[in-house]
Amino acid sequence: EAGVAQSPRYKIIEKRQSVAFWCNPISGHATLYWYQQILGQGPKLLIQFQNNGVVDDSQLPKDRFSAERLKGVDSTLKIQPAKLEDSAVYLCASSYGTGGPYEQYFGPGTRLTVT
Amino acid sequence: AQTVTQSQPEMSVQEAETVTLSCTYDTSENNYYLFWYKQPPSRQMILVIRQEAYKQQNATENRFSVNFQKAAKSFSLKISDSQLGDTAMYFCAFLFGNEKLTFGTGTRLTIIP
Repeated sequence: EAGVAQSPRYKIIEKRQSVAFWCNPISGHATLYWYQQILGQGPKLLIQFQNNGVVDDSQLPKDRFSAERLKGVDSTLKIQPAKLEDSAVYLCASSYGTGGPYEQYFGPGTRLTVT
Repeated sequence: AQTVTQSQPEMSVQEAETVTLSCTYDTSENNYYLFWYKQPPSRQMILVIRQEAYKQQNATENRFSVNFQKAAKSFSLKISDSQLGDTAMYFCAFLFGNEKLTFGTGTRLTIIP
C-alpha cells in the first residue's frame, strides 16, 4: 500500500514570496490533515478536511495561508506572502475516518526555509 | 483546551537497556485517546502505541508498553530491550472525540551502541 506522498521535500524562498505544497493521501482515506512543525516543537494542526469539506481550520492563519482539497483526494497548501516565522516542516497526514479509532498516517513532510 | 507536557527534552540509553519516557496531560474529559508517535531522523512520523482512556489495561506492542495512570493524567512509554533503530523523536499526543490531535514538545531519544 502506497503511503502519503508530499512534494516538494525541500523549499527555500525569500520572505514575501509565495509557495505551494502538494499532498496525495492514502487511497480511500477520507480525512486529510495539514500540520506545521516548527523546529523543537510538536506538530500543530493547520487544517483538517473530511472528503473535500473543511472540518477544522481554527489555527490556519487565513490572511496568508490557504488550502484546498479538490475532488476529495489531493490537497494543496499555499502560503502567500511568506514570513520568516513560516520556516518549518509541513506535514500532511491522512486517515480512513475522523477520531481516535482511526490511525493518522503521515507523509515525509516538506521542509520550508524562508530567508 | 487540552495540553500535553513532555518534561524530558532529551534522553539517552545504552542498547538493550530499558527506557521510560514521561508524558502528562490536562483535560476535563473522561473518554479520550492517548498516543505515542515516533519520528526518526528521516522525519516520517509513525504511530507506536495507542491507549483508550476507558480501558484500564495498559496497551502493549511488542517491546513498547505504556503506564496509563488516568487519575494522575500520566501516560509514560516504556521501551524494553532498546535497539539502535529506536533512536528518534517521540511525541505524546491526546485526542478527544473528533477534535484535533494535540502533541507534546517531544523527547529526543538516542540509543547508544
